[in-house]
Order: sequence, then structure tokens, then C-alpha cells
Amino acid sequence: GAVVSQHPSWVICKSGTSVKIECRSLDFQATTMFWYRQFPKQSLMLMATSNEGSKATYEQGVEKDKFLINHASLTLSTLTVTSAHPEDSSFYICSARDWNRANYGYTFGSGTRLTVV
Amino acid sequence: RKEVEQDPGPFNVPEGATVAFNCTYSNSASQSFFWYRQDCRKEPKLLMSVYSSGNEDGRFTAQLNRASQYISLLIRDSKLSDSATYLCVVPPSISGNTPLVFGKGTRLSVIA
Repeated sequence: GAVVSQHPSWVICKSGTSVKIECRSLDFQATTMFWYRQFPKQSLMLMATSNEGSKATYEQGVEKDKFLINHASLTLSTLTVTSAHPEDSSFYICSARDWNRANYGYTFGSGTRLTVV
Repeated sequence: RKEVEQDPGPFNVPEGATVAFNCTYSNSASQSFFWYRQDCRKEPKLLMSVYSSGNEDGRFTAQLNRASQYISLLIRDSKLSDSATYLCVVPPSISGNTPLVFGKGTRLSVIA
């Protein structure tokens, strides 16, 4: 079945540093990748939609200069949290649609737990 | 108005119990519905899809009531491993490249 591989699974970083999260579609091409963030006991909130070869679309309230998204190929999208602060500590997860798959084909990465200290 | 509304719970039930969650949706034109389950700090996983009146898979039954615009999820013979958050999702257009939108879901704790 469709697989989206997300790395790292967890990361601890110091305030002010940058962290890159990668999502790869392993057996399908993902022209679009969705990035979500989830704080404890909250719902998954869409942050942005990345599109291969073009600029990402950010949801209202999400700083595009802080959360850099690059979707340079049909199988790889990256989210870079720049100048991370403790309030950026959260669970980040990506998703893509495999159009050849049943039930609309939404596939999720396993998530990245970011802790900023 | 939110696309879906769920009782956030938590629902605390003993092992072996039967538990049901309801989810009301606002768009009467919606044709498809999903139940996802999400464990703590894990990705959501598709549990069941509902395209007509209902669907059954082992201990899990999903039912759709179009007149009242709600979908229910029934879990029979609850197991400890059923403890999770259950998310009702109305998918966007089948042809559009748009994301799934999630609410907070309903938390279930199955107790020994």
C-alpha cells in the first residue's frame, strides 16, 4: 500500500536553531503534500499545502518565513522550522493522496515530535 | 458552523462493553464519511469508510443516517487496545487535491 516515510520521528533542539522534517512518498508520486501540526489534546491543524515545483500555500496564522516548505520533487517535501522556540514544540505530520488507492487514498507519515528546549 | 461535531468525551468503558459515538455533519450533500482512529502521538489511521447506509468490520459498525445527518460508530466487545481518539471526517471532493480536515474527535478509554 501507499507509504509516506517521515523523518525524524522525534527531535530535540535548542531555541534558535532550525529543524528540518522530511516526508517522502515511497511508492507513489505526490504532487501535493499537506503539513499538519498537533498540540497536546488538540486536533490536527493544517499548516500548509506544498506543491511540487511551486510555492506552498499557508493557512491563516502560519508564518511562511518561519515554516519553510520545499517540495522539489514528486516524492519529497520538507518542512523546516526556523529559529525554533519552545512554543513550536508540537507533533508535525505530513499527508499526501495516492490517487491509485481506495478510500480517497489519503496517506500519512508517522509524524515528528519536536521538542524545543 | 463546523463541518462535523463530535462529543469529545472521554468515554471510559470497561472491557467487553459496547460503546457508540455519534458524529453530526453540516453539509447535507456529503456523500462519503470516514472514521479514523488516532493513538497518542501517532498518525491517524483509517478505521472505516461509509458510502451508503453503513459498514461493518468485525466488532466495528458504522451507520449513516442521512435524514438526521449523523454517522455513528459502534464498537462491540471493547478491548484495551481500542483506547484511542476516534475522528469523524468528511472527505473533500474525490477529484480535488484538498486536505482532510480533522476535529478533536472522541476520546475512548477502555478500562480493565
